[in-house]
Amino acid sequence: AQKVTQAQTEISVVEKEDVTLDCVYETRDTTYYLFWYKQPPSGELVFLIRRNSFDEQNEISGRYSWNFQKSTSSFNFTITASQVVDSAVYFCALSSYQAGTALIFGKGTTLSVSS
Amino acid sequence: EPEVTQTPSHQVTQMGQEVILRCVPISNHLYFYWYRQILGQKVEFLVSFYNNEISEKSEIFDDQFSVERPDGSNFTLKIRSTKLEDSAMYFCASKIPGQQAEETQYFGPGTRLLVL
Repeated sequence: AQKVTQAQTEISVVEKEDVTLDCVYETRDTTYYLFWYKQPPSGELVFLIRRNSFDEQNEISGRYSWNFQKSTSSFNFTITASQVVDSAVYFCALSSYQAGTALIFGKGTTLSVSS
Repeated sequence: EPEVTQTPSHQVTQMGQEVILRCVPISNHLYFYWYRQILGQKVEFLVSFYNNEISEKSEIFDDQFSVERPDGSNFTLKIRSTKLEDSAMYFCASKIPGQQAEETQYFGPGTRLLVL
């Protein structure tokens, strides 16, 4: 069975602090995809990044970076120099490599950034 | 930039009533999905749809639910007789199949359903 665990329910930081959101997954598949989505207070789900299981390169996009470690089944997300606009719920998700399969979401981490 | 759209944004209904939630996926996408999110909880998969038929469904997607692609653009979720516990945000998503670079589901803004 596939499972995504986001152990941090809520995180509060002050603007300009760095923050890391943890994601641990379980799957029996040898190939799979991992995702991060952002859900701002307005409620929509915004795609942030996709990683496939055979590409363990870390990725940086502006203030966002992702650390994928297959050995520990983790796909952590770091926001550098956080801003108030980063306040949202962040979901980590997993899907099989097979086309059309469902996304399995974690419970999400609520990030609050205060000024 | 193309996006998934959903209507209505909010719907209030009485228990036992039928509701139809509508989605217009991104035009060249071929996989369609419905997910739901009960307030404060995680996003849960309901059903996926490809080539005019259901390709996968979850335990939540029981006989009360049905999906349809009535024309070339719309994708609908029908709940036949709503229950209080159907109150949730319902998200539609779509995806291009096949190539690795396109294995991302893009979500609509959601329909918030409240069953009284």
